[in-house]
Amino acid sequence: QKEVEQNSGPLSVPEGAIASLNCTYSDRGSQSFFWYRQYSGKSPELIMSIYSNGDKEDGRFTAQLNKASQYVSLLIRDSQPSDSATYLCAVNPVLYSGYSTLTFGKGTMLLVSP
Amino acid sequence: DTAVSQTPKYLVTQMGNDKSIKCEQNLGHDTMYWYKQDSKKFLKIMFSYNNKELIINETVPNRFSPKSPDKAHLNLHINSLELGDSAVYFCASSQEGIQETQYFGPGTRLLVL
Repeated sequence: QKEVEQNSGPLSVPEGAIASLNCTYSDRGSQSFFWYRQYSGKSPELIMSIYSNGDKEDGRFTAQLNKASQYVSLLIRDSQPSDSATYLCAVNPVLYSGYSTLTFGKGTMLLVSP
Repeated sequence: DTAVSQTPKYLVTQMGNDKSIKCEQNLGHDTMYWYKQDSKKFLKIMFSYNNKELIINETVPNRFSPKSPDKAHLNLHINSLELGDSAVYFCASSQEGIQETQYFGPGTRLLVL
């Protein structure tokens, strides 16, 4: 069973702080990693994708990947109340060669207080 | 100009009934998916189609039957609905390839009474 683990939270941070969201995965052969944001009652939307070890930055968001430790994280700098949502880590395991299939974690709820 | 659309948005029905959910994407993607998100918000893949062909069936009961009339549409028919089928069902689409982003529809909230 391929698994993706996340702390369910909630993770509470004050406005302007850095929020750090973490994710571990069990399939060592996984090749693609994604962070989705889901507001309550809405559908998941992509925040970041990362495929190789290291950091990837996009605006206030930084994704970090360490394949040796099977660990992927998302940092949100200058957190805003509008960032309050559930963040889903998704991993593309090597199950169906060539096809995108995502295994999702259960998500971490982030609460940013004004 | 909605990218991935689903109908209906809400579905309330009795146990034992049969219902269908429709999904359409206008992104020109080759691959479409059905996901189920349960009450604990766990999102799990059910099916994946690539160019109208089934490529993933994640041990879903055979009461669930997907159909893809063309690569822009993927419908989900559910027979003999059970209480445990109550969930939010999301359709998604992507280009073919393991690095491709999946784009989700707005979801269909199914409640079985």
